[in-house]
Amino acid sequence: DGGITQSPKYLFRKEGQNVTLSCEQNLNHDAMYWYRQDPGQGLRLIYYSQIVNDFQKGDIAEGYSVSREKKESFPLTVTSAQKNPTAFYLCASSILAAPNSNQPQHFGDGTRLSIL
Amino acid sequence: GENVEQHPSTLSVQEGDSAVIKCTYSDSASNYFPWYKQELGKRPQLIIDIRSNVGEKKDQRIAVTLNKTAKHFSLHITETQPEDSAVYFCAASMGSARQLTFGSGTQLTVLP
Repeated sequence: DGGITQSPKYLFRKEGQNVTLSCEQNLNHDAMYWYRQDPGQGLRLIYYSQIVNDFQKGDIAEGYSVSREKKESFPLTVTSAQKNPTAFYLCASSILAAPNSNQPQHFGDGTRLSIL
Repeated sequence: GENVEQHPSTLSVQEGDSAVIKCTYSDSASNYFPWYKQELGKRPQLIIDIRSNVGEKKDQRIAVTLNKTAKHFSLHITETQPEDSAVYFCAASMGSARQLTFGSGTQLTVLP
């Protein structure tokens, strides 16, 4: 979807380095998500945020951090504590509808992170 | 938490044949089941979704069925074409959490 922009497309990390992946959306969506995708596996949730200045850990949050200072932005930092960061990272967003009324998540093009 | 299992992991069909991918979920509170198609190196794209108050939904060559009692749902693609070749992911969600739990994916190859 053209409304979700991830950058950069490719990123390389050195040992001991923190790197930040950008995710911006202009869809006016309340909720934003970060997923990690490894070969042969499904998407695993790292963090998600439903409102500004609030976010929740997903299934694999260790070694990652996020912030949500603006509705349209949800950057992900891969810290040096994440020992196996090589993966494809996907950002998504969705409308927050009424409780028990899910709305689809729409994805960005992803960032491929590798270790140097 | 929710657990979603997806089968098969790979599927090859001849062009024009049908393809069926099946998923099971563990949490009976899940009420939303989307399917995504992901081409190599691209973003997942929503192709169809179904909510728990519906048993079947169809969109042209694609259909999804849901059996709440058995806690499984399936994707059916008819008259397959080479451009249907991709990885397909199922997912399940409970409304209150607004999180998706994904299956491990099915690599579909349509042979010309």
